[in-house]
Amino acid sequence: GEDVEQSLFLSVREGDSSVINCTYTDSSSTYLYWYKQEPGAGLQLLTYIFSNMDMKQDQRLTVLLNKKDKHLSLRIADTQTGDSAIYFCAESTGGYNKLIFGAGTRLAVHP
Amino acid sequence: DAGVIQSPRHEVTEMGQEVTLRCKPISGHDYLFWYRQTMMRGLELLIYFNNNVPIDDSGMPEDRFSAKMPNASFSTLKIQPSEPRDSAVYFCASSPHGREPNEQFFGPGTRLTVL
Repeated sequence: GEDVEQSLFLSVREGDSSVINCTYTDSSSTYLYWYKQEPGAGLQLLTYIFSNMDMKQDQRLTVLLNKKDKHLSLRIADTQTGDSAIYFCAESTGGYNKLIFGAGTRLAVHP
Repeated sequence: DAGVIQSPRHEVTEMGQEVTLRCKPISGHDYLFWYRQTMMRGLELLIYFNNNVPIDDSGMPEDRFSAKMPNASFSTLKIQPSEPRDSAVYFCASSPHGREPNEQFFGPGTRLTVL
């Protein structure tokens, strides 16, 4: 069945790198997504990767995709306090309009 | 554009009462989604519409839940009668088209508490 799994919590020191991991099940997903939710707000698209790619870099963000293992990761370089949020991994399935979200990883950045 | 607008932002009601949540999608967006977020179950897709037509309502938990989209700029999610286990944050999201990459734009959510 469709399922996206993430670790629930990550704590890092300001300035360090953060790595958030995700596993998904639908190998037919064309794109995989990372959304960010700040406190009291809705989700916002952070980045995405096409399934034929292994890596995508966007400023401080690096997305790695291992399609064989169905493993997706998001690396945030030089993590700042403003990066504290919940990060959701999502796959598109059952028709690309429908996104299946993981439970979200709460990132806490401390001085 | 103001983004996706939801009202009310907070709703507290008593068990058995009817609750109506409202959403105004971004103008020009063809798709509208309703989600529910809880600590226990995470983010669940309840229903989505394309051009005001419900496409997939398989996530609607039970008959107490209903959703409508009478026109392109307005949708409602109704719970009747409400129960304490319906307490959650309900998000509305819209997307401009059905092609990938599929960016969905989320509203700020309605926090529902059923006593």
